Amino acid sequence: GESVGLHLPTLSVQEGDNSIINCAYSNSASDYFIWYKQESGKGPQFIIDIRSNMDKRQGQRVTVLLNKTVKHLSLQIAATQPGDSAVYFCAENIDYGSSNTGKLIFGQGTTLQVKP
Amino acid sequence: GAVVSQHPSRVICKSGTSVKIECRSLDFQATTMFWYRQFPKQSLMLMATSNEGSKATYEQGVEKDKFLINHASLTLSTLTVTSAHPEDSSFYICSAGGVRYGYTFGSGTRLTVV
Repeated sequence: GESVGLHLPTLSVQEGDNSIINCAYSNSASDYFIWYKQESGKGPQFIIDIRSNMDKRQGQRVTVLLNKTVKHLSLQIAATQPGDSAVYFCAENIDYGSSNTGKLIFGQGTTLQVKP
Repeated sequence: GAVVSQHPSRVICKSGTSVKIECRSLDFQATTMFWYRQFPKQSLMLMATSNEGSKATYEQGVEKDKFLINHASLTLSTLTVTSAHPEDSSFYICSAGGVRYGYTFGSGTRLTVV
């Protein structure tokens, strides 16, 4: 479904600690998911994606976990750094398969604050 | 990698006037582009899907006559906010691409209506 107009929750972590950001998605038919990082005044920046035939995918310092049973995504950031401070959004692709250009619906988002 | 250019980055206009925002795919052809609106401290809300050579598809609650979308070429989509009012002030972001090559976002346009 569409993201509702709620203010973003905040996650505050100490530099060097691991961060876990969670997201619940709405459409059980969605089968492609992306995590984005957005800094103030900028457009979203791709972090990592995952398709529904996987439950885990790893990148550099980041891991995405997908639980289709409960429609839940998480983003794990290892050894969080001050430069990771930003807003993080999950997004789900709807209408995947027929055209490969289904619309992307964003989740609520989480503000990550990294304390030095 | 794929690059999407959005222009202008900031615009201030008077209430009642119209503003056009451009979204260009610089190194790839985009038959489909997407327009989002984002209010402060909120998520991105999909407004419409822009289709090259055909009418845009608007999300529920988005006024198509107020937010005119034109996608006349494979590299350019425009969003025109007509008769803008202060409540239209927002951050507008475009995106192009898809599942195969990834979704790439523009840098956004900050619209302020005074």
